[in-house]
Amino acid sequence: AQSVTQPDIHITVSEGASLELRCNYSYGATPYLFWYVQSPGQGLQLLLKYFSGDTLVQGIKGFEAEFKRSQSSFNLRKPSVHWSDAAEYFCAVGIYGNKLVFGAGTILRVKS
Amino acid sequence: NAGVMQNPRHLVRRRGQEARLRCSPMKGHSHVYWYRQLPEEGLKFMVYLQKENIIDESGMPKERFSAEFPKEGPSILRIQQVVRGDSAAYFCASSPPLAGVREQYFGPGTRLTVT
Repeated sequence: AQSVTQPDIHITVSEGASLELRCNYSYGATPYLFWYVQSPGQGLQLLLKYFSGDTLVQGIKGFEAEFKRSQSSFNLRKPSVHWSDAAEYFCAVGIYGNKLVFGAGTILRVKS
Repeated sequence: NAGVMQNPRHLVRRRGQEARLRCSPMKGHSHVYWYRQLPEEGLKFMVYLQKENIIDESGMPKERFSAEFPKEGPSILRIQQVVRGDSAAYFCASSPPLAGVREQYFGPGTRLTVT
């Protein structure tokens, strides 16, 4: 069955430090790949998505992600974290054209 | 263009009552998806509907849960005889025709608490 793994449940970084959130997927072909962010009590906001082409994808709020086919990974990065980035981040895979399969999420804490 | 609307935002029900969650898709979107987020888990797909049709309900629990998307009006997720385990956040997403997962926009969610 298709699955998405986010190995880190919690990550704490200092404000201004770089960030990398990991995501691995299990799927036979290259799926559509997404990163969403969820602030407490809020809905999901799309940060970026990958369908094909250039494996480095730029998103909103200064985030980027790199698709690595050989590692079945789609890690999210940001060079300098801001306190407002504290939230929960979800990696998702789009399969069969309709449904999204989500990872369990990574909670990001930012310390000043 | 208003985003995906969900109401109510918070819903409290006693065990055994019915819960009705509403989702109004974005203008021009005819496809609706429902996802459930249990505490400390990611979102899980429940059902995919087009107007007057259920296309994929592979994620719906077999009993007590139903969904509809009538020709007029919002999509409704209905949970009969709620139990404590139904407490979760329920998110609706919508997409334009033919876009599928490539373009799903999420609503703010309805947080259901069963007491």
